Amino acid sequence: DSGVTQTPKHLITATGQRVTLRCSPRSGDLSVYWYQQSLDQGLQFLIQYYNGEERAKGNILERFSAQQFPDLHSELNLSSLELGDSALYFCASSTSGLSGNTIYFGEGSWLTVV
Amino acid sequence: AQKVTQAQTEISVVEKEDVTLDCVYETRDTTYYLFWYKQPPSGELVFLIRRNSFDEQNEISGRYSWNFQKSTSSFNFTITASQVVDSAVYFCALSEAPPDYKLSFGAGTTVTVRA
Repeated sequence: DSGVTQTPKHLITATGQRVTLRCSPRSGDLSVYWYQQSLDQGLQFLIQYYNGEERAKGNILERFSAQQFPDLHSELNLSSLELGDSALYFCASSTSGLSGNTIYFGEGSWLTVV
Repeated sequence: AQKVTQAQTEISVVEKEDVTLDCVYETRDTTYYLFWYKQPPSGELVFLIRRNSFDEQNEISGRYSWNFQKSTSSFNFTITASQVVDSAVYFCALSEAPPDYKLSFGAGTTVTVRA
C-alpha cells in the first residue's frame, strides 16, 4: 500500500459526459501528480501541483482540468469525454526535497468511455 | 528533453532463471533521478528503487539488483532466480532536478515467468 488513495477505482461513462477523479496523497506529501496510461500512449504525465499551486504541466488536454485543495487532496476533472479518453489514470504524490524525491503512485482509476 | 528507452518489449523466462531489463536514458540535466516501477496484472504501479545521478553505486535488494552506469546512460535491472510473482510490466523512469520532478517513463518491459 503506497498510501496514495484514489477514487473511484472503476468508472464507466458515456461520451460527452464529465467525471471527477479524486486523490488523497500520502500523509505529509505536498506534491500531487496526475498521469494517464493508455495502450497507445503509454504512461503520460498530465499535471503536477505543489501545495495548492500548479507546478508543471504535461500533455493535458484543454478538456481536462485539475486542482489541489488546501487539505492537499486533488481532483482531476475530465469533460466532454471521448472514447479515446478511456485509460488508467494515476495519481501520485511525493515530498519534494533538495536530496530528491520518490514518487509513489495510487492504484489508479480505470475510466471506460462508451 | 528527457527520454527513456526500454528496448525490450517482452521477456519470457522459466522460473529460477535470471532476467535483466535494459534501460537507457537521455537528459541534458546534470542532476537527475532514475526509477524503476513494477506494474503487476492488477494494475497498480509499485515503486522499486530511486537512484540519484550523483550516486553510481549499484544496489541489491533481495533478488533485485540495479546497475547504474553514467558513462553509458544506462540503469539496468536484474531479477535473480525469477519467480512467477515477478510477472509484471516493469517501467524505467527519469525525473529532472527540482523544481520539476515529473517522471518520464519508458514504454515498459513485460516480464512473464513460467512455472
